[in-house]
This record gives sequence, C-alpha cells and structure tokens, in this order.
Amino acid sequence: DIQMTQSPSSLSASIGDTVTITCRASQGINKFLAWFQHKPGKAPKSLIFAASSLQNGVTSNFSGSGSGTDFTLTISSLQPDDFATYYCQQYKTYPHTFGGGTTIEIK
Amino acid sequence: QGQLHQWGAGLLKPSETLSLSCSVPGGSFSGYSSTWIRQSPGKGLEWIGEITHSGGTNYNPALSSRVTISVDTSKKQLSLTLNSVTAADTAVYYCARGWAAIADWGQGTLVSVSS
Repeated sequence: DIQMTQSPSSLSASIGDTVTITCRASQGINKFLAWFQHKPGKAPKSLIFAASSLQNGVTSNFSGSGSGTDFTLTISSLQPDDFATYYCQQYKTYPHTFGGGTTIEIK
Repeated sequence: QGQLHQWGAGLLKPSETLSLSCSVPGGSFSGYSSTWIRQSPGKGLEWIGEITHSGGTNYNPALSSRVTISVDTSKKQLSLTLNSVTAADTAVYYCARGWAAIADWGQGTLVSVSS
C-alpha cells in the first residue's frame, strides 16, 4: 500500500493567517491526489482533485500544488469556517489511502 | 458538490452483518466511481472500497474477505455489506462518489458493534 504522511498533525493559527499543510506519498502518484476538509459530525467536503484543481464551489483561498511524492495544501486568509481537519488521499493505486490528517485550531 | 443520502442499521452485535445503502437525490451512480469510507472513533479516514463506473470492484485488502460493494442501477442505490463484524468495525461510515477523485459525500452513518 502507498503510505500518505501529512505534516504537521496539528497547528494553531489566527483568522487571516496563511497556512500550508504537506502530504508526502511513499511512492510516486503523479497528480492523483485529493484534499478534503472534515468537521466533527459532518460529511467531509471535497476541496481539490488532481493535486491542484478546485472542486466546484470551493473558494479560491484554497490551493494545492505538487506532483510525484510531495504535495501541499495552502489556505490563505483563514476564515472561521476553515478551522477543521484536512486529509489528503491518493487515488493512483488501490487501496486509495488517506493521510493521517491535519487539524487546524484557532490560536 | 451534491450530498448523498445514506441509511442502515446503526447497532449490531458481534458476528452480525453490516448493511448500508446510499442514494443520490435526483441523480444516480451511473458514470461514477462510488466508494465507501469509514472513520473509527478518534481515528482518521479509512478507504473500504469502490465500485467503478464499469461495475468492477476494488477493496481494501484488510477488509476484502468480508466486504461487498454493489450498485442497483434500477433503484439507483449503492450498497455496502460487511460480514462478521466485531467491535473494531465500530465507526462512522460514509458513501461517496466521483469521476476519479471523490466529489460528493453522504452524511455518514454511525455503526456501533456491541454485545
């Protein structure tokens, strides 16, 4: 299985900050990488597919980059609604594995 | 993004069979890959498996001996069956669909396994 490693596992940030989350794959996955936002008790929300393409309805303060093994999710100008846990997932090879998650907390 | 609707039994005893269903209000699963994912208490997301737009299935090897995913095209329903459940299968289960990457999610169903 491809292992997906996210860092950091958690971070504290303030409204208006820009934060970056890193996701590393144990082997190359081209650009078959998605990002999701998850809040407790709610359905996850799809943010990005193909490493850098925004899903419909996702605001442009979210951006993704990377290819191969190293990827980043950047959230610019953090809003109150952005405090959540974020997961990356590779969908190049079965099983489609997730990273361990990064929780963004309010500082 | 659309939200999927899912339902099924939420309390099971060990050795019983988990059975969940999922539908797309006003839509279907045709042309999509459809996936089941779960989150155990205090843990991250775990991919259970998918059924592709052509009807092929792929499962997490850790669950493959016990899991079946299917789509009833006439009923426009996605289903998950997990046999011989144990307490380790206690989790919130999500259905999802997309063309390659997941786009839409169900609201989640908490399934608890306890004697």
